[in-house]
Amino acid sequence: NAGVTQTPKFRVLKTGQSMTLLCAQDMNHEYMYWYRQDPGMGLRLIHYSVGEGTTAKGEVPDGYNVSRLKKQNFLLGLESAAPSQTSVYFCASTDRRRLNEQFFGPGTRLTVL
Amino acid sequence: SQQGEEDPQALSIQEGENATMNCSYKTSINNLQWYRQNSGRGLVHLILIRSNEREKHSGRLRVTLDTSKKSSSLLITASRAADTASYFCAHPRGAGGTSYGKLTFGQGTILTVHP
Repeated sequence: NAGVTQTPKFRVLKTGQSMTLLCAQDMNHEYMYWYRQDPGMGLRLIHYSVGEGTTAKGEVPDGYNVSRLKKQNFLLGLESAAPSQTSVYFCASTDRRRLNEQFFGPGTRLTVL
Repeated sequence: SQQGEEDPQALSIQEGENATMNCSYKTSINNLQWYRQNSGRGLVHLILIRSNEREKHSGRLRVTLDTSKKSSSLLITASRAADTASYFCAHPRGAGGTSYGKLTFGQGTILTVHP
């Protein structure tokens, strides 16, 4: 039981490049979330999904897109990376029975030059 | 921003001492949670306290909640070097069934426990 996994662990992009971050969970959770963590800012919600085929905007969605084609996967895309998107990205999941506890992946450290 | 405040921002203590971290929030909540983040890792859920509870214990952890002051505290007793981590409070974002499990996180307290 791997829990929540994220790929890649590290990535360096140049401004304007695109990339996709993959989150996978094997706990059959309905709800999944993407956060970014910046120094002194805590975690901020980018996008979330309440089920396969559904996504919604969080607190800081601009510059990101997401897709949830399969229940176990939640993808975060950057179409044209900007230096302001340099951050550590975390995926998390939970379900209706455990709405009060989120399970987190190990994070992806992204640097945009 | 709906983010709450945590203080202190950083706390440095010796092994065996107690560590207290505080969290304030701005909205009405039905529960408050604490998470730990070891360096370079994801967050791990520690404990949850519901709005109708005033104090809760789990091992060496004690959490209090004062809804009238919109504040919570996390006490770690008899700290160990392995407790070195960042600690975050979090509460549901949005009202009741519309929150969809979304959480608002505080900015965190960095705890360093020296052997």
